[in-house]
Amino acid sequence: DTEVTQTPKHLVMGMTNKKSLKCEQHMGHRAMYWYKQKAKKPPELMFVYSYEKLSINESVPSRFSPECPNSSLLNLHLHALQPEDSALYLCAVSTGVSGELFFGEGSRLTVL
Amino acid sequence: DQQVKQNSPSLSVQEGRISILNCDYTNSMFDYFLWYKKYPAEGPTFLISISSIKDKNEDGRFTVFLNKSAKHLSLHIVPSQPGDSAVYFCAGGIQGAQKLVFGQGTRLTINP
Repeated sequence: DTEVTQTPKHLVMGMTNKKSLKCEQHMGHRAMYWYKQKAKKPPELMFVYSYEKLSINESVPSRFSPECPNSSLLNLHLHALQPEDSALYLCAVSTGVSGELFFGEGSRLTVL
Repeated sequence: DQQVKQNSPSLSVQEGRISILNCDYTNSMFDYFLWYKKYPAEGPTFLISISSIKDKNEDGRFTVFLNKSAKHLSLHIVPSQPGDSAVYFCAGGIQGAQKLVFGQGTRLTINP
């Protein structure tokens, strides 16, 4: 069973499009994360939600807009992206206190 | 400033032998460390962690060693199996800070 589910797995969008990435967790953890990973690079933290409130924003451009509608869902809204934003976007959850992150399989985004 | 470094981009080991993956860190505030394994087109999966109060943690074929004075940790896999072929990331974090910093990863290839 995949306890952190991300959709879509692949997304191709133009620079003028508006799209969203979705993440759903079934682990009951209260911290949810968005990471971005480019080829041959480590995952880079973008946002952290703790108890459905944004607690960390790593100076991410406003063309990325996160949303946490409830404790199970995390969205990343995309608008006016650039080709260099093409990457694997990873959702993760944790207890928020310490310990491991549980990652989803990622959404592979290509911006044309 | 790269706080977590994996200086070997790749490592090739014969099946049945020991694989040793290394990681160095600069942030002395890190009080726990984790290793993740990543297959292509999948999210990272948690392998093993270690708290800074310990110098060794073992889980089956996987052992992590921490040398705080040298700011160095290593992951030992014994015996290595073909299914271990993947990219391995080490990460450091601070309890309660909700943020992990990842190294660049080491691609491990296990040869039959």
